[in-house]
Order: sequence, then structure tokens, then C-alpha cells
Amino acid sequence: DGGITQSPKYLFRKEGQNVTLSCEQNLNHDAMYWYRQDPGQGLRLIYYSQIVNDFQKGDIAEGYSVSREKKESFPLTVTSAQKNPTAFYLCASSMSSPALVTNEKLFFGSGTQLSVL
Amino acid sequence: RKEVEQDPGPFNVPEGATVAFNCTYSNSASQSFFWYRQDCRKEPKLLMSVYSSGNEDGRFTAQLNRASQYISLLIRDSKLSDSATYLCVVNYRGSTLGRLYFGRGTQLTVWP
Repeated sequence: DGGITQSPKYLFRKEGQNVTLSCEQNLNHDAMYWYRQDPGQGLRLIYYSQIVNDFQKGDIAEGYSVSREKKESFPLTVTSAQKNPTAFYLCASSMSSPALVTNEKLFFGSGTQLSVL
Repeated sequence: RKEVEQDPGPFNVPEGATVAFNCTYSNSASQSFFWYRQDCRKEPKLLMSVYSSGNEDGRFTAQLNRASQYISLLIRDSKLSDSATYLCVVNYRGSTLGRLYFGRGTQLTVWP
């Protein structure tokens, strides 16, 4: 079955530690995204990538880094510079960028809950 | 001002009730509109797209009012399984990047 897989489901970070969240899709989608969701809040865009080897900062990129070396994979690293990392992180993909296709729909992974020890 | 505004609720309704949510957006250049459903600590899932002429999918009806810059979702004959958070999503194509903006969601609880 085609889909988008995030791991781990739960992740704990110690102060000063970098952690990496995995996101893999086998939908052959060009565009991939990382969102952060805090309780009672909407999804906020961290980074997105419209094509391999290219990515753009979203609204809250500070303290995060990404890479897009393969079409299928878009890992997110939460660095020690992110002082308030506790949140629910969602990875998503779409066939192409919303810039190109008006009704482009997002497919989401099941999310990673990151907490600080 | 936020790009997309929703009343967070919660809306608590009995089974069989009709309930409506509204969502307003600030950018008149918005091109496309969606309602997503999110269960607690799960990923959002597309419920329906919203078209200019309004559209219906079973018990769900979505409408768009471009002049007033709002979209709505109507749920008829509410079921217990409709309990979830409903996210309003708007796509702006004002730049080469294209962006989807999410509202904070409206929480619905349907009780027996």
C-alpha cells in the first residue's frame, strides 16, 4: 500500500540534544512538508520541499533543519537551538506544489510526539 | 491578524443534530479551500474540497462566499463518529511557492 510513514511515534529529547524525525513516502510525490502542531493550535509550516535537493523555510524554521537527498525521504532535525520543541510533528506530501496545482491535496503521516525530558 | 480564523468551539451537540462551522480567511487571493478532519493525536485527513458553487458529500455540505471571505461546513444528522476537530485550510497562490494555511480547528463532540 502506498503511504507516508513517520517514525518514531514518540520521541524524547534531552536538553542540548539534536534529534531527527523520519519521514518516508512511497507515493512518488514531489512535494513534502513538515508541520508543527501545539495543543489547540493550527498547523504551522516548518520547512517544505518542492523537489529533490531543494527546500524552503516555512513560518517557524528557526531551530530546525531538513534535507531532501532522495525523493522518498524528508527527515527533520530538531536542534538544540529550538528551545521549545515539545509538540506534535506532522509530515505531509503532495503530488506537486500547491503553487502549481490549485486543488493539490496533502497526505499526512501519523505524526511524531516530541517531548523534552 | 491570522490568515485563517476559526471558532475553536467546542461544539457539543446531540446525535441527529445539524451543526455548522464557519471559517474566515484574510487574503482575497486565496485560490482553493478545504475541510480536513483530525481525530485526537492523529493526522488530519481530507474531508472535502470546497468549490465556488458549493458542494455536498452525503451529510456534509461545504460552501464558499468569496465576497465575505468565508467558508462553511454543515453537518446534518450528526453521528457519534463525527466527533473530531475540523480544520479549515486555504491555499494562496500569491507567489511562486504556493502555501496552505491551516485554521486552529473547531472541536465537535456529538453525544448520544
